[in-house]
Amino acid sequence: GAGVSQSPSNKVTEKGKDVELRCDPISGHTALYWYRQSLGQGLEFLIYFQGNSAPDKSGLPSDRFSAERTGGSVSTLTIQRTQQEDSAVYLCATRRSSGANVLTFGAGSRLTVL
Amino acid sequence: DAKTTQPNSMESNEEEPVHLPCNHSTISGTDYIHWYRQLPSQGPEYVIHGLTSNVNNRMASLAIAEDRKSSTLILHRATLRDAAVYYCILGPAAGNNRKLIWGLGTSLAVNP
Repeated sequence: GAGVSQSPSNKVTEKGKDVELRCDPISGHTALYWYRQSLGQGLEFLIYFQGNSAPDKSGLPSDRFSAERTGGSVSTLTIQRTQQEDSAVYLCATRRSSGANVLTFGAGSRLTVL
Repeated sequence: DAKTTQPNSMESNEEEPVHLPCNHSTISGTDYIHWYRQLPSQGPEYVIHGLTSNVNNRMASLAIAEDRKSSTLILHRATLRDAAVYYCILGPAAGNNRKLIWGLGTSLAVNP
């Protein structure tokens, strides 16, 4: 597609449930990032994928958070046993492997944990 | 990791120029200065970036101080659609953007 596509755009869940958030990157973009943006805050780095290299998971806040990127394309961010403090907008961004270091973001998935 | 300092908010009138300042006194020699903006209910959008020289593109201009400790994003004629949060970020020329530190940015209001 022309841009980074994220789904669902909105997700309301109950505390303790698992959620999956999906990111479809721009074709040919080998680098993929997940960020979290809590209300009124800046972006918080979560995880970074680059091609076939091991992902940089240094930003994941706890072991309840995990992410996969299958076939170097679609990525899924999974949050297990959700907590109210997980409520935020989860943003996916992608970048080409070469050229200018410019991130293209999706519109985000807004997660609300009741 | 180098940080930036921006005013929390600014206000402008439509069709007037806007100068958004950013201080980055601890910038390293290899850090690029990136600007993104985030419109309501959207993900951030790339605006412009530069290293030492001033840069222009269709969206904006970036003026970088000679000592690189500050920069200014210039919107030449603000429109209502420019109302957004503007982020000034220091980052590498390539590679992992994990080190990008996203502050709270400057919330720009544009009055009709």
